[in-house]
Amino acid sequence: DGGITQSPKYLFRKEGQNVTLSCEQNLNHDAMYWYRQDPGQGLRLIYYSQIVNDFQKGDIAEGYSVSREKKESFPLTVTSAQKNPTAFYLCASRRRGVSSYNEQFFGPGTRLTVL
Amino acid sequence: KNEVEQSPQNLTAQEGEFITINCSYSVGISALHWLQQHPGGGIVSLFMLSSGKKKHGRLIATINIQEKHSSLHITASHPRDSAVYICAVGEGSQGNLIFGKGTKLSVKP
Repeated sequence: DGGITQSPKYLFRKEGQNVTLSCEQNLNHDAMYWYRQDPGQGLRLIYYSQIVNDFQKGDIAEGYSVSREKKESFPLTVTSAQKNPTAFYLCASRRRGVSSYNEQFFGPGTRLTVL
Repeated sequence: KNEVEQSPQNLTAQEGEFITINCSYSVGISALHWLQQHPGGGIVSLFMLSSGKKKHGRLIATINIQEKHSSLHITASHPRDSAVYICAVGEGSQGNLIFGKGTKLSVKP
């Protein structure tokens, strides 16, 4: 089955620790995205990548880092510099082509809690 | 002012009722998306439209480009329709989406 996997579903970390969230897709999509969701707010874009070895900052990139060494994988690291890391994190991918006419496919999400 | 506004924020309906969720946006767009988020957090795409109307089962989505407004309708609502419905607009050549805050729908049996 083609899709996007995120692991783990729930993640707990102590304050001050870096943590890496996994996102893998087997849809052969070029573009991948990381979003953060907080209660009562819309999804906000953290980072996105249109192609391997290239990525761009989104609206709330501070305190986060990413890499895109493989087409299938787009891991997100939440660093200790992120002031409020507790949130629900969603990864998405999209077939590259005619911009936003292509729908985005979403992973199941990772709920990160920093204690 | 948010670029994508949804109304209502919360909606409770009785099973069988006709439901309408509205979305207004202030930016120029290339496409508008309706998404459904289940209580577990997973998001699925329901519709993507740039003009007119689309129908899928009991769901209907319409868009009026001139008025920058879209509606999502659910006919004969069912408790399994209970979810958060999110409107998102695509802008620019990068294809990035701007999301509304979502409408939480609860359908009572």
